[in-house]
Amino acid sequence: AQTVTQSQPEMSVQEAETVTLSCTYDTSESDYYLFWYKQPPSRQMILVIRQEAYKQQNATENRFSVNFQKAAKSFSLKISDSQLGDAAMYFCAYRSDSGGGADGLTFGKGTHLIIQP
Amino acid sequence: DSGVTQTPKHLITATGQRVTLRCSPRSGDLSVYWYQQSLDQGLQFLIQYYNGEERAKGNILERFSAQQFPDLHSELNLSSLELGDSALYFCASSPAYRRPEFFGPGTRLTVL
Repeated sequence: AQTVTQSQPEMSVQEAETVTLSCTYDTSESDYYLFWYKQPPSRQMILVIRQEAYKQQNATENRFSVNFQKAAKSFSLKISDSQLGDAAMYFCAYRSDSGGGADGLTFGKGTHLIIQP
Repeated sequence: DSGVTQTPKHLITATGQRVTLRCSPRSGDLSVYWYQQSLDQGLQFLIQYYNGEERAKGNILERFSAQQFPDLHSELNLSSLELGDSALYFCASSPAYRRPEFFGPGTRLTVL
């Protein structure tokens, strides 16, 4: 079974600074997808960014980018120019593609990101 | 707003009871997923349906069942409820396999 580990229960960053959230995963599969989801106090789960394992290029979405290291099974999220609205729980998630994508997400336990004004 | 709707938003019930949670996916999405978020277990995948058929099962208890109807809405049935079933239940949808999931706002279930 796949596992996802987020080793930082909580991170704090000053507004406008850059912060990196760590995620490692364990899998024996070669085809899979990785995601970062954000959960603000409203509890809504919001997709931040997605990475396909077969793509070597790291995904970026505006101020959010990832550092995907397939051999190391590492998938970190970098948030640049942090804003107060970025304060939330961030979950790293994995989905296998071995069943043609018919599978649910495996989540890490989350990192609580605090933005200091 | 993700386009996924879930009802009810909150549900309070007693142990031993049965409840039904409802989910309407985004327009055109064929896949529906159910997840449970609790303090003890974190976020767990329960079950997936694609165009009316069950496609994948996660950590879903035998007391729980789900179905997806011809209009693509889905229902999660929870029976013989226990205190430990208190959690936030999310529905998510995607247009097809290999596409990202978009989550609904969740149903908060409290079992007293």
